[in-house]
Amino acid sequence: KAGVTQTPRYLIKTRGQQVTLSCSPISGHRSVSWYQQTPGQGLQFLFEYFSETQRNKGNFPGRFSGRQFSNSRSEMNVSTLELGDSALYLCASSLLAESNTGELFFGEGSRLTVL
Amino acid sequence: GENVEQHPSTLSVQEGDSAVIKCTYSDSASNYFPWYKQELGKRPQLIIDIRSNVGEKKDQRIAVTLNKTAKHFSLHITETQPEDSAVYFCAATSTGTASKLTFGTGTRLQVTL
Repeated sequence: KAGVTQTPRYLIKTRGQQVTLSCSPISGHRSVSWYQQTPGQGLQFLFEYFSETQRNKGNFPGRFSGRQFSNSRSEMNVSTLELGDSALYLCASSLLAESNTGELFFGEGSRLTVL
Repeated sequence: GENVEQHPSTLSVQEGDSAVIKCTYSDSASNYFPWYKQELGKRPQLIIDIRSNVGEKKDQRIAVTLNKTAKHFSLHITETQPEDSAVYFCAATSTGTASKLTFGTGTRLQVTL
């Protein structure tokens, strides 16, 4: 069974640009969550999608958005990039409807560098 | 919302010694507490979790304890080995679709020979 796949793995952008990251969950998983990982800050929750609906949202500005497609694949978008957006963006999928109480299966992440 | 504090941020132990990582949480409604391990350059993986209806759970060399009254839970690793070197994250959440999993800031564990 294939794991969670994230693309691209690495990308470099400049301030003001926008970026779209993609996540394919494990087959059969309908819940997808996104996290931002930076040194010293741990894993900061961005949002969670279940059956194409955003179910939860973290404390990030509106520049961060996402969506989920009918095949459970998810994308997140960051517009008007800032230097502070440089981070590893992790996607995680879960089998349970209440994903917050079940195992999260993480992808390897998309490392974004903003210059 | 939930706030999870994790200590220490770094921990160095000799091979064979025990390691303890502690976390506190703020929301008394939290009832699920997983621990994730992230090796260098790899994805986080669940190593153990505990629910609020139990006080302790063990899996070979790792164990987690929970004190609901103090809102405190800990990860214990015994007989540490070099492959235990990684960053460990605790997390907390309550059930219900309106809740989200809140992670601590991580503990970098270094097991030296």
